Amino acid sequence: KNEVEQSPQNLTAQEGEFITINCSYSVGISALHWLQQHPGGGIVSLFMLSSGKKKHGRLIATINIQEKHSSLHITASHPRDSAVYICAGTIQGGSEKLVFGKGTKLTVNP
Amino acid sequence: DGGITQSPKYLFRKEGQNVTLSCEQNLNHDAMYWYRQDPGQGLRLIYYSQIVNDFQKGDIAEGYSVSREKKESFPLTVTSAQKNPTAFYLCASVWAGEKYGYTFGSGTRLTVV
Repeated sequence: KNEVEQSPQNLTAQEGEFITINCSYSVGISALHWLQQHPGGGIVSLFMLSSGKKKHGRLIATINIQEKHSSLHITASHPRDSAVYICAGTIQGGSEKLVFGKGTKLTVNP
Repeated sequence: DGGITQSPKYLFRKEGQNVTLSCEQNLNHDAMYWYRQDPGQGLRLIYYSQIVNDFQKGDIAEGYSVSREKKESFPLTVTSAQKNPTAFYLCASVWAGEKYGYTFGSGTRLTVV
């Protein structure tokens, strides 16, 4: 079993839909990251959170420490949101190492 | 602008040859990391370095080597001992204590033929 599990693996939506991607983890982490990877491969960090909720534009990330669960929400989705979204956790212990989920491929159709 | 530069973007090598992937950052980050990405799998840690002249093996270090002679540079050598080197390689860096999150490079896609 992977230490970080994401669902769904693939997600297709129509423009304007509200989207939720889920992440569960089974290891001790000091922070949870949501990353975005576009087809070219480069990765952009969207959020880093250790509690509560963060919002940036149409993106919202939440984390429930007790349940070891995080969600990424996209409101009013747009075709330019199409990408792979990756959940990752910083392993506790001071090395700042990340453990990654396998990613969720999101396709938003016009 | 600060960031991480990985070069080259695409690299082709013959089987049996060593190849070095470059990673340079001008963010003054303390820690640097190399990850490997294969289709359908999460990124996996190859090596990391938290200070100059020191580095640690990650989960899949066999067949790879690194150096950290300067704070801003963390090159990765894929040796002929790496049995399946064709993959996408990502470099990342972060401040010690991770106050502001990671910065990732744009990656190098290595194909060994």
